[in-house]
Amino acid sequence: QQQVKQSPQSLIVQKGGISIINCAYENTAFDYFPWYQQFPGKGPALLIAIRPDVSEKKEGRFTISFNKSAKQFSLHIMDSQPGDSATYFCAASSGNQFYFGTGTSLTVIP
Amino acid sequence: GAGVSQSPRYKVTKRGQDVTLRCDPISSHATLYWYQQALGQGPEFLTYFNYEAQPDKSGLPSDRFSAERPEGSISTLTIQRTEQRDSAMYRCASSLAKGGFNEQFFGPGTRLTVL
Repeated sequence: QQQVKQSPQSLIVQKGGISIINCAYENTAFDYFPWYQQFPGKGPALLIAIRPDVSEKKEGRFTISFNKSAKQFSLHIMDSQPGDSATYFCAASSGNQFYFGTGTSLTVIP
Repeated sequence: GAGVSQSPRYKVTKRGQDVTLRCDPISSHATLYWYQQALGQGPEFLTYFNYEAQPDKSGLPSDRFSAERPEGSISTLTIQRTEQRDSAMYRCASSLAKGGFNEQFFGPGTRLTVL
């Protein structure tokens, strides 16, 4: 059973546009929600993370929106750049167990 | 070290053989995780260590899978009697301390192919 459901599977955005990736979870025990960025041939790298006591966190062009009642969270990439083209994974954790979404392949067209 | 390293980067083996994968975490990191990542999927938790202790093995798919971290630094993941369904990327990650709020640093992975 997929603990974290991620959509879309792939996304194509024009340079300068907004990329939005969504995730949903069921387990209310999750207390940490990170997003990872993965380039081909590399391991995932932490991009931004949020705890459930806040509804939004912004770091530069990257924003996480968190809706605790709906058990959903999303990543917004503002002013998307070709260098943002990568696979993005959402995740949720409780304690030391992390559950990852299936990933979104983002392509930003120049 | 500068980052998490894993070896070998690629491993091809025949069904029924045993394989051992190695992870060298960031030197100051107490906690080490192992994940299995199938093609087109996110990493799936296998097990983790806090120093040499292994508090959680719940993600290991079967008793053919085992992991060690005897001195609290380098870790190995061993798969006995490999099967084709074991083919995947195996990733190691380390963090400064246990607890989900500590950033995990991932290694480049070992791509295992079982023929």
